[in-house]
Amino acid sequence: QVQLQQWGAGLLKPSETLSLTCAVYGGSFRGYYWSWVRQPPGKGLEWIGQINHSGNTNYNPSLKSRVTISVDTSKNQFSLKVNSVTAADTAVYYCAGAVVVTAMAYWYFDLWGRGTVVTVSS
Amino acid sequence: QAGLTQPPSVSKGLRQTATLTCTGNSNNVGNQGAAWLQQHQGHPPKLLSYRNNKRPSGISERFSASRSGNTASLTITGLQPEDEADYYCSTWDNSLSAWVFGGGTKLTVL
Repeated sequence: QVQLQQWGAGLLKPSETLSLTCAVYGGSFRGYYWSWVRQPPGKGLEWIGQINHSGNTNYNPSLKSRVTISVDTSKNQFSLKVNSVTAADTAVYYCAGAVVVTAMAYWYFDLWGRGTVVTVSS
Repeated sequence: QAGLTQPPSVSKGLRQTATLTCTGNSNNVGNQGAAWLQQHQGHPPKLLSYRNNKRPSGISERFSASRSGNTASLTITGLQPEDEADYYCSTWDNSLSAWVFGGGTKLTVL
């Protein structure tokens, strides 16, 4: 059974860089597209971006200028960096794995980390 | 980023049936279909269905999904207290090259 374990700093000051990492255990790293999704307090889910094992990325256009997602296939890990954070970046950040099989119209998030609470405050 | 449209809240009685909707367009729901996620307070989302009507192992048959055109639906029969949660639809948008989520529906079981 595939499990995701995520970690990173939970308290940041405005203008700092948010940095989180997610490790994948117990399954195929290559079989998923790896995403970061965030959820501001009391609000819905917002997709940040994704990467696959080859390092191909897609980003939410509204965040693209500040976000970098990278992958380390030797460790089955992927990471998120968000530059110049503000209070609006305060949220629970989830790492997630998506199954994508276009021929079968499979597009779904199958795996989720437990979430990391990130607070941006001066 | 354009997302999918869900009603903010639905309330139904115990053992009744609730139908939640998710409206997109031809670039997302109409082409890729939708997956449904359930999220209880303080927990990560959990996959309920994918490809419009397939359920992962362990998901109750009381949850069924469908799609008509650009609108996906999740029907929950025999509502139980533990069904009270937030429900999100999601899919890939070909035009945006991005995953999109609905705003979520809070289901209250009375």
